Amino acid sequence: QQQVKQSPQSLIVQKGGISIINCAYENTAFDYFPWYQQFPGKGPALLIAIRPDVSEKKEGRFTISFNKSAKQFSLHIMDSQPGDSATYFCAASMSAGANNLFFGTGTRLTVIP
Amino acid sequence: GAVVSQHPSWVICKSGTSVKIECRSLDFQATTMFWYRQFPKQSLMLMATSNEGSKATYEQGVEKDKFLINHASLTLSTLTVTSAHPEDSSFYICSAGDRAGGAFFGQGTRLTVV
Repeated sequence: QQQVKQSPQSLIVQKGGISIINCAYENTAFDYFPWYQQFPGKGPALLIAIRPDVSEKKEGRFTISFNKSAKQFSLHIMDSQPGDSATYFCAASMSAGANNLFFGTGTRLTVIP
Repeated sequence: GAVVSQHPSWVICKSGTSVKIECRSLDFQATTMFWYRQFPKQSLMLMATSNEGSKATYEQGVEKDKFLINHASLTLSTLTVTSAHPEDSSFYICSAGDRAGGAFFGQGTRLTVV
């Protein structure tokens, strides 16, 4: 059973546009929601993470929006660049850190010039 | 962020041989490390949790005798794929968490069994 559902599976965005990736979860015990960026042949790199006590977190061009009541969270990439082309994974765990992360299925983002 | 180093980055081995993959936390101590497997264009699947000084905890369906995990120190965990077969070919990734929170991943190991 997929604990974290992610959509879309793939996304094509023009340079300068906004990329939006959505995730949903069921387990209300989750309290840590990170996003990872993965380039081909590389391990995932932590992009940004949020705890349920805030509804939004912004770091540079990357923003997480969190809706606790709907059990949904999303990643927004502003001013998308070709270098952002990668696979993005949302995840959830019951505590911050590496403890038993449940990953979404991934979104392959392509930013076209 | 914290650095997790994984070695080798790729390996090709003959069917029936064993392969060892190392995962090191370079600038922090990790009492727990995690091993994942990732098939092409798919998500990461947790294989096992590696605990320093004790036996690893394996996820359902993962053969513990085939995927041997040793966490000998607070900075090193190893995964040994024993008697590898072509179906074991995959991308293996380790991760560790530091005290400040956040999971950090190694660069992954591409295993090809021929």
